[in-house]
Amino acid sequence: RKEVEQDPGPFNVPEGATVAFNCTYSNSASQSFFWYRQDCRKEPKLLMSVYSSGNEDGRFTAQLNRASQYISLLIRDSKLSDSATYLCVVKPNSGYSTLTFGKGTMLLVSP
Amino acid sequence: NAGVTQTPKFQVLKTGQSMTLQCAQDMNHEYMSWYRQDPGMGLRLIHYSVGAGITDQGEVPNGYNVSRSTTEDFPLRLLSAAPSQTSVYFCASSYPDGSGAHTFGSGTRLTVV
Repeated sequence: RKEVEQDPGPFNVPEGATVAFNCTYSNSASQSFFWYRQDCRKEPKLLMSVYSSGNEDGRFTAQLNRASQYISLLIRDSKLSDSATYLCVVKPNSGYSTLTFGKGTMLLVSP
Repeated sequence: NAGVTQTPKFQVLKTGQSMTLQCAQDMNHEYMSWYRQDPGMGLRLIHYSVGAGITDQGEVPNGYNVSRSTTEDFPLRLLSAAPSQTSVYFCASSYPDGSGAHTFGSGTRLTVV
């Protein structure tokens, strides 16, 4: 089983739609969880951390289910500028910051 | 602040050539790392460093060397380039506090012919 698995997509949605991405991870001892965003031919950038109680940042909501080893990202009221690849990222260990990246889910928002 | 600066942005090498990819950060981050990104493979960790003088291997270290003589710089050396090393290389830095807030450089697109 791959360490971090994501549906590669692409997810094609119209502006204003709500879209959700899921991610599963294999290491039950993983410590921290994140969503990164990567625009075409650009570097990844941190979108948001994912907390056990769930957290929201504007139109973005992240959820973590440790029992099922499952992470989700919900985007409400999609904008054209949300078009990007969303990377699910897991920090396996405490201490040093080595991260494990999923392969990403591509989102395309159309007018 | 410039953040993480990578040079060059593009490079074409012939098989067997060596080169160094440069990475510098001005945020006084202790943790630095190198990733490669290939289509369908995601980001894979090559080498990382938790501070000056300390380096360790990641998932795909073969064919690459690193050193960390200062906090600011973390160069990646390709010893004898192979076509399999054609990739996009990203350098990243962060505080070693587990926050996951890596700052990435803009990447180096390397083609080995």
